[in-house]
Amino acid sequence: KNEVEQSPQNLTAQEGEFITINCSYSVGISALHWLQQHPGGGIVSLFMLSSGKKKHGRLIATINIQEKHSSLHITASHPRDSAVYICAVGAIKAAGNKLTFGGGTRVLVKP
Amino acid sequence: NAGVMQNPRHLVRRRGQEARLRCSPMKGHSHVYWYRQLPEEGLKFMVYLQKENIIDESGMPKERFSAEFPKEGPSILRIQQVVRGDSAAYFCASSPGTGGIGEQFFGPGTRLTVL
Repeated sequence: KNEVEQSPQNLTAQEGEFITINCSYSVGISALHWLQQHPGGGIVSLFMLSSGKKKHGRLIATINIQEKHSSLHITASHPRDSAVYICAVGAIKAAGNKLTFGGGTRVLVKP
Repeated sequence: NAGVMQNPRHLVRRRGQEARLRCSPMKGHSHVYWYRQLPEEGLKFMVYLQKENIIDESGMPKERFSAEFPKEGPSILRIQQVVRGDSAAYFCASSPGTGGIGEQFFGPGTRLTVL
């Protein structure tokens, strides 16, 4: 079993729909990261969180430390949100903050 | 403040050649991480360095791969005698602060193709 599991693997939505991506992890963490990667492109850090909830524009990230679960929500989705969204955790026992990654969720938003 | 810079962005090598990938962290960042993304696979940690020190290289293949982060200049990931299986995207990320705990800022990646 992977330390970080994401669901779904693929998601197709119509423009304007509300999107939720889930991430579960099995280790004690110092922080959880949500990243965005466009096809053939670089990686952008969206959120780093260790408790509660963060919001940036149409993106909302939540984390439940007790349940070892996080969600990334995209409100009023737009075709430019089409990308791979990656959940990553920094384990408490790790030196520094080396990240362990989920497999990613490929999101396609159709106009 | 320039972001994390990596060069080259694309690198083509023939089997048996050497590949050198460079990463310049953000200004003021002294922690560098290297990650590898194999085709159709997720990202995997390779090595964590601070200036002049390798802190954690548990994700590095035992042979042919090495990394350094000198006092001056960029961090270098070096792959000797490349094989087709080394074809991947290599990303570095930098982080500020004590112990490297904090947000990581990723570079654009170097896409290595081994012919």
